[in-house]
Amino acid sequence: AQTVTQSQPEMSVQEAETVTLSCTYDTSESNYYLFWYKQPPSRQMILVIRQEAYKQQNATENRFSVNFQKAAKSFSLKISDSQLGDTAMYFCAFLDPTGNQFYFGTGTSLTVIP
Amino acid sequence: DTGVSQDPRHKITKRGQNVTFRCDPISEHNRLYWYRQTLGQGPEFLTYFQNEAQLEKSRLLSDRFSAERPKGSFSTLEIQRTEQGDSAMYLCASSLDPHRYEQYFGPGTRLTVT
Repeated sequence: AQTVTQSQPEMSVQEAETVTLSCTYDTSESNYYLFWYKQPPSRQMILVIRQEAYKQQNATENRFSVNFQKAAKSFSLKISDSQLGDTAMYFCAFLDPTGNQFYFGTGTSLTVIP
Repeated sequence: DTGVSQDPRHKITKRGQNVTFRCDPISEHNRLYWYRQTLGQGPEFLTYFQNEAQLEKSRLLSDRFSAERPKGSFSTLEIQRTEQGDSAMYLCASSLDPHRYEQYFGPGTRLTVT
């Protein structure tokens, strides 16, 4: 079975600064997808960024980028120029090759301080 | 298209009662997923449909839970003889083949069993 671990329950960052959220996972699969989802307070989950395991290049989406280390089974999210609207719970997720089942971490609550 | 919708958004019920939730996926999305999210945890997979066929069920889905997607469009999740441990947020997501990894989440139904 796949497991996803987020070891930082809470983090905070000053507005306009950079913050990195950590995620590790365990799998015996070689081909899979990794995701970061954002869940603002009382709002629905939103996809932030995804990474295909077969791609060596790290994914980027505007201010969001990942550091994907396949051998280390590490998948961290870097948020640059943090904005107040980035305040949310962030979940790291693993999707198996069948694409049928997500495995989520326990989340990191990020607060952006003005 | 307004995205994935779920009804009701909140449900309070007494232990032992039956409850039913509805999920309307993004139109033409052939895949539909149900997750459960308890406080402080990430979403946990319950089951998924490809069109009207229920193809996978988690061990979390006890025999008190049943899900249907009769015409391959909306889906219902019923919980019979609710228990306090069923209190959680129930999330629905949908996706479209071949991009099944792009799951779009609904706002969830928060169930409180008293």
